[in-house]
Amino acid sequence: DVKVTQSSRYLVKRTGEKVFLECVQDMDHENMFWYRQDPGLGLRLIYFSYDVKMKEKGDIPEGYSVSREKKERFSLILESASTNQTSMYLCASVREETQYFGPGTRLLVL
Amino acid sequence: QKEVEQNSGPLSVPEGAIASLNCTYSDRGSQSFFWYRQYSGKSPELIMSIYSNGDKEDGRFTAQLNKASQYVSLLIRDSQPSDSATYLCAVNLNYNFNKFYFGSGTKLNVKP
Repeated sequence: DVKVTQSSRYLVKRTGEKVFLECVQDMDHENMFWYRQDPGLGLRLIYFSYDVKMKEKGDIPEGYSVSREKKERFSLILESASTNQTSMYLCASVREETQYFGPGTRLLVL
Repeated sequence: QKEVEQNSGPLSVPEGAIASLNCTYSDRGSQSFFWYRQYSGKSPELIMSIYSNGDKEDGRFTAQLNKASQYVSLLIRDSQPSDSATYLCAVNLNYNFNKFYFGSGTKLNVKP
């Protein structure tokens, strides 16, 4: 079975903090994605990676960065958290155009 | 204009009825089309994919694609209360880069 895990289900941070969200997949997939999901806006792509150390900006990269040092791990970094980054963050790993999502991290920035 | 548009609903149907969910997309170069189901508090899971014009059936689910009109739909026959969820339409614009666009989802309620 395909398995994608995310480091936290719920996270509360303060404005200005640096936040790390981690995603791990055990399927040796090359492509991994970070989305945020907000009511009425659907899933919006933040960053994606198609190989180790490779990354591409999605549609809303501002305020975020990513790291992919190992194939199985894709990290999303909020450099200085702001209240408008309060959201559900979903990581996905892709095989043959099928996206396998992690359970999500609900982040609240106070 | 959004890349992928869906009616947010909620769409309410009685148990046993056919639920019809629709999605339109803006880029004529779109290659692949997907329907994901997302239960409340859970992450999305793929239920159907379709690549060519026409219908594709899988059990109670039928995906329909019309590239000329730029819409894709999902029919759920014999709807069950367990089908109550939000259905997300997704489009892959470029197979080589696997860049997907999602609609905002349609919430379906199947009433017993």
